[in-house]
Amino acid sequence: GAGVSQSPSNKVTEKGKDVELRCDPISGHTALYWYRQSLGQGLEFLIYFQGNSAPDKSGLPSDRFSAERTGGSVSTLTIQRTQQEDSAVYLCASSSGGGGKNIQYFGAGTRLSVL
Amino acid sequence: AQSVSQHNHHVILSEAASLELGCNYSYGGTVNLFWYVQYPGQHLQLLLKYFSGDPLVKGIKGFEAEFIKSKFSFNLRKPSVQWSDTAEYFCAVTYSSNTGKLIFGQGTTLQVKP
Repeated sequence: GAGVSQSPSNKVTEKGKDVELRCDPISGHTALYWYRQSLGQGLEFLIYFQGNSAPDKSGLPSDRFSAERTGGSVSTLTIQRTQQEDSAVYLCASSSGGGGKNIQYFGAGTRLSVL
Repeated sequence: AQSVSQHNHHVILSEAASLELGCNYSYGGTVNLFWYVQYPGQHLQLLLKYFSGDPLVKGIKGFEAEFIKSKFSFNLRKPSVQWSDTAEYFCAVTYSSNTGKLIFGQGTTLQVKP
């Protein structure tokens, strides 16, 4: 596609349920990043993929959070046993390579609400 | 710890006023600097970037920013704002020592009154 696509755009779930968020990066982009945007914490890095491997998972807040990327393309962020503090907008970005000089292009995000 | 600080959380200006948003980053070696903007209901998009060379960089929509290494700063400026500049502005940094992850400031909400 022309840009980074994320689905769903909105997700409402009950506390304790698992959720999966999907990111479809720009075609050909090898690097993929997940961020979280919340009122109290601003924009925070979660995880970085280069191809299908994740050399930097340092931003994942707990072991309830995991992510994978398959075929060097689509990525899924999974949150298990959701808590109210997980409510946030989850953003995905892709770039043509890793490293600090590659421009990251962002998707519209998934707004997660945990009731 | 690597961090970015934006001084103004909420700025209100009238059209045609000048804008300057402050951004400072912590020392961590070689840096690459960005300003991103998020218009209401839209996704984050790049305004401008600095990697090296001329410390005064120009971006889209008449925005510019100046990198001052001695002050660890990368302030965003626009001589005359328009109502359409109403948005949230984020300063961000990548450090050459890490994987290219963006470290963001807390953001500044700019409201321009017509």
